[in-house]
Amino acid sequence: LAKTTQPISMDSYEGQEVNITCSHNNIATNDYITWYQQFPSQGPRFIIQGYKTKVTNEVASLFIPADRKSSTLSLPRVSLSDTAVYYCLVRTTETNDYKLSFGAGTTVTVRA
Amino acid sequence: EAGVAQSPRYKIIEKRQSVAFWCNPISGHATLYWYQQILGQGPKLLIQFQNNGVVDDSQLPKDRFSAERLKGVDSTLKIQPAKLEDSAVYLCASSPTGTRGEAFFGQGTRLTVV
Repeated sequence: LAKTTQPISMDSYEGQEVNITCSHNNIATNDYITWYQQFPSQGPRFIIQGYKTKVTNEVASLFIPADRKSSTLSLPRVSLSDTAVYYCLVRTTETNDYKLSFGAGTTVTVRA
Repeated sequence: EAGVAQSPRYKIIEKRQSVAFWCNPISGHATLYWYQQILGQGPKLLIQFQNNGVVDDSQLPKDRFSAERLKGVDSTLKIQPAKLEDSAVYLCASSPTGTRGEAFFGQGTRLTVV
């Protein structure tokens, strides 16, 4: 599994855009980039996944450059309720075992 | 659609006692995961099932932890005997076959070993 590196923490204010960059230098051809969000006292929740270029949904956008060695999760106009831990994962589709391995994540704190 | 159900939500036991956690995944989901999450850390995979077969249990402390998945549906995770360092949240997740990224998590069981 490709190892991922992301910042330990980020602070922001309500209404700002938050960008979290994840490095995955040894990502393989068949790997997908997946992001999860975890609130205190809850299990992680899937928010977005992509392979290349840009993916957008109602929660976030995911930007992946051509070399795919990094990716950036963008949270537009954050609110206090976006305070959470965000995990970047690289998932392989080379085998059918769908391993799901988490790192330490990025703690995002949104202030009023 | 019902989510992943786990019970109990909280459990306090003394060290050397045994404990069991139960998980009911989303109906039809072939893959089931058990994670241990220690405070301040990311979830650590303990065991992964595909239907009722084990895909990965490389990080499961097999001298004290055991897990089974009955008929490819519900699953139980047992710790016997418990140690102080087993205090953590135990998370169960499931995903359908063919999913590249999306797994659904339960709320977890918070275990405190005293």
